[in-house]
Amino acid sequence: EPEVTQTPSHQVTQMGQEVILRCVPISNHLYFYWYRQILGQKVEFLVSFYNNEISEKSEIFDDQFSVERPDGSNFTLKIRSTKLEDSAMYFCASSEARAGNYGYTFGSGTRLTVV
Amino acid sequence: GDSVTQMEGPVTLSEEAFLTINCTYTATGYPSLFWYVQYPGEGLQLLLKATKADDKGSNKGFEATYRKETTSFHLEKGSVQVSDSAVYFCALSDRGDSNYQLIWGAGTKLIIKP
Repeated sequence: EPEVTQTPSHQVTQMGQEVILRCVPISNHLYFYWYRQILGQKVEFLVSFYNNEISEKSEIFDDQFSVERPDGSNFTLKIRSTKLEDSAMYFCASSEARAGNYGYTFGSGTRLTVV
Repeated sequence: GDSVTQMEGPVTLSEEAFLTINCTYTATGYPSLFWYVQYPGEGLQLLLKATKADDKGSNKGFEATYRKETTSFHLEKGSVQVSDSAVYFCALSDRGDSNYQLIWGAGTKLIIKP
């Protein structure tokens, strides 16, 4: 069964450093997403991406965040200057169509720890 | 705005017990409804879904029926196993014009004791 692949599985970074989280969505999917889950809390939407541009973003997704699809397969989330409160599990997801029709396929997540 | 409310956990049951995890929603449009499961140390997996009223989603012995009249999508299983221990998330996607995101409940931790 096709999978969404995320790397690394765990990243530790110092406050103020830049991090890039990487995702390989399912190859025929057109919609891409990033969500995060702070330990013990709700899953929160960050951003959706379609046709090489951001479709929607949440209030969390401020100027410190950016997304890119640098080639035909990768989808990255960059945090320019990490803060302690960015520590969370970050999930990438992809879907063939808008989530309302099919739901998403999620990756297994990257646990980001900012120290 | 749209929202999802789940029963608080943890829910602790014995093996072979009947499970219900309540989920209710508010939405302005015509949402699709989902249950996701997160096993310890793993990512989010789609468990089941329903896209219109009275649809029943089912998978791995779990079921949920989309009830528009009560705005509910309760998750049920007739006989739980220890391996069902996980966190269960109810979510919706409102098929509005520009809404691409899933709206999540807070999650319900399920603990099954042998």
